[in-house]
Amino acid sequence: QVQLVQSGAEVKKPGASVKVSCRASGYTFTGYYIHWVRQAPGQGLEWMGRINPNSGGTTFAQKFQGRVTMTRDTSSSTAYMELSRLRSDDTAVYYCAREVTSTARGLDVWGQGTTVTVSS
Amino acid sequence: DIQMTQSPSFLSASVGDRVTITCRASQSISNFLNWYRQKPGKAPKLLIYAASSLQSGVPSSFSGSGSGTDFTLTISSLQPEDFATYYCQQSYTTPRSFGQGTKLEIK
Repeated sequence: QVQLVQSGAEVKKPGASVKVSCRASGYTFTGYYIHWVRQAPGQGLEWMGRINPNSGGTTFAQKFQGRVTMTRDTSSSTAYMELSRLRSDDTAVYYCAREVTSTARGLDVWGQGTTVTVSS
Repeated sequence: DIQMTQSPSFLSASVGDRVTITCRASQSISNFLNWYRQKPGKAPKLLIYAASSLQSGVPSSFSGSGSGTDFTLTISSLQPEDFATYYCQQSYTTPRSFGQGTKLEIK
């Protein structure tokens, strides 16, 4: 079945980096954008950016420019999101989700979420 | 950037009630508007895309309408599993902004 499976929870110290993976299965990986969305405790959804797995092209929210990197490995159908210079307010659940590249029809499949805790 | 504003932020209702949630965009987004439901501790689930198209597998009790800047999500008869938080999101352009959410609680 179509699914996105994310890597496990992480605990990081301020200033460190975290890299979260998102492995796709059950569909053509290169036919869908992978978006990254985060949710701080008790807060709403925040869009971070997206990657086109076919071209590797990325678009980021201004807030994360310079701190976020999104990459992909088409051989393993896996997308990665790396966030550097972590702060306590980066503590959140990070989700990956797919969107068909040909039409903007919403994020129809989501990963289970990866909890990232930033604490000294 | 396009700002998305939902109302109300909180809503109390009973099983079987009909409820409507509103989402307003800060500029026209045509029909590039999606709705999600999120239950506690779970990933969001796509309900409606392109303002009014029902995502596969979603009950017909959900419907969406609107275009331009004003949109609505209607649940015609609330079921126990519908008590959750709802988000709108524009897919007209990047950044793909979300509304702040509407928490639907049992009265």
